[in-house]
Amino acid sequence: AQKVTQAQTEISVVEKEDVTLDCVYETRDTTYYLFWYKQPPSGELVFLIRRNSFDEQNEISGRYSWNFQKSTSSFNFTITASQVVDSAVYFCALSAHPNFGNEKLTFGTGTRLTIIP
Amino acid sequence: GAGVSQSPSNKVTEKGKDVELRCDPISGHTALYWYRQSLGQGLEFLIYFQGNSAPDKSGLPSDRFSAERTGGSVSTLTIQRTQQEDSAVYLCASSLVWAGGINEQYFGPGTRLTVT
Repeated sequence: AQKVTQAQTEISVVEKEDVTLDCVYETRDTTYYLFWYKQPPSGELVFLIRRNSFDEQNEISGRYSWNFQKSTSSFNFTITASQVVDSAVYFCALSAHPNFGNEKLTFGTGTRLTIIP
Repeated sequence: GAGVSQSPSNKVTEKGKDVELRCDPISGHTALYWYRQSLGQGLEFLIYFQGNSAPDKSGLPSDRFSAERTGGSVSTLTIQRTQQEDSAVYLCASSLVWAGGINEQYFGPGTRLTVT
């Protein structure tokens, strides 16, 4: 069985500060994918990133960066120079691949990020 | 292009009634998923379709829940004899499956179901 833990329930930071959202996962599968989704107040889940278990390279996209470490089963997400528009609930998710084609997601409980202007 | 759409956006029903929730995936996306988001349970998987087949129904919480997909496109999630614990936001997602791999899931806006 898969499990995703987001220990930070809520985080508040002042605008322009950097913030890191933690994600720890558990799976017995050797092939898996990790994801981050953003859920703004409007409610729709927005895809941010997908990483496979064989690619531990960190990734940067604008102000967003992700740190994937298999040794600690973590996939942390950092927002640099946060902005008010970053306020949302962020979900980390895991998909294992016992059967090709089925990428059902196991989600963490989410971290509510509030950026204070 | 158009994203995943769901209807209705909100549904209020009385306990014991049946409801149908609809999902229109992104055109060409062969994989379709239903999830449920509730305060108590978080985001949880319900069912997965590949084309019109549902090889994974493991997340359906009871036999009151069923889903179908027709024409490899539209999907309907049906909840019979609704209970108050069925109140949640029901999310649909679709993704493209191709010979080289699988793309990420794109989510619809959800249907907020309230059972009174």
